[in-house]
Amino acid sequence: KAGVTQTPRYLIKTRGQQVTLSCSPISGHRSVSWYQQTPGQGLQFLFEYFSETQRNKGNFPGRFSGRQFSNSRSEMNVSTLELGDSALYLCASSLVSPYEQYFGPGTRLTVT
Amino acid sequence: KNEVEQSPQNLTAQEGEFITINCSYSVGISALHWLQQHPGGGIVSLFMLSSGKKKHGRLIATINIQEKHSSLHITASHPRDSAVYICAVFTSGGGADGLTFGKGTHLIIQP
Repeated sequence: KAGVTQTPRYLIKTRGQQVTLSCSPISGHRSVSWYQQTPGQGLQFLFEYFSETQRNKGNFPGRFSGRQFSNSRSEMNVSTLELGDSALYLCASSLVSPYEQYFGPGTRLTVT
Repeated sequence: KNEVEQSPQNLTAQEGEFITINCSYSVGISALHWLQQHPGGGIVSLFMLSSGKKKHGRLIATINIQEKHSSLHITASHPRDSAVYICAVFTSGGGADGLTFGKGTHLIIQP
C-alpha cells in the first residue's frame, strides 16, 4: 500500500506570493492533518480535514487555509507569504481519528 | 495545553551503545507517539502507546501513565539510528488539535 505523498517536495517563493501544497493520503484514509515544522517552534498543528470538512484548526492566521476533496486528497494554501512561513510542511493521514497517523515526507518551503 | 519535555536535547554515542531518550508531559493523555525524523524531513511513526511497553526490533518504548513519563530505548545502536526522535502526546478527546510535540532529541551514533 502506497504511503502518504506530498508535492512538491521543495519550493522557493517570494514574499507576497501565494503557494499551494498537495497531500495524497494512504488509500482508505479519510483524515488528513497538516503541520508546520520550524527550527524555533518545532512541529505545530495547522488543521485537520475529515470527509471534506475541517474538523480542527490550530492557532495560525487566516492566510493559512486548506481543503479536502472527495477522494481525500488535501491541499493547503498560504497567501501573502512572509519570510517566517519558511518551514517544512508535513501532512499526515489516518483512517478516521488522528489517533494513529502516518506522515508524508514533507514539502520544504523557502520564502525569500 | 500539555507541556512536553524531552531529554536529552542532543546525544552523541558510539555504535553498539544502549540509548535512552526520555519524554515527560504535564497533563494526562490518551496516547503517546514516538516519531523518527531523518535528515531530509520525512517522519516515521515508531510507536503509539497508551500503556505498558512495546518492542520492535532493537527499539523499545515504555510509558508510565501515573508518572506522566515515557522512554524510548535503542539497543545495539547503529549509525543508521542517527536521527531526530520526537515525542508527541494526544490529550483530551484525541483530536488532532490535542496533539502536542516535544522539541525532539537529536541523536548521532558514531561508528
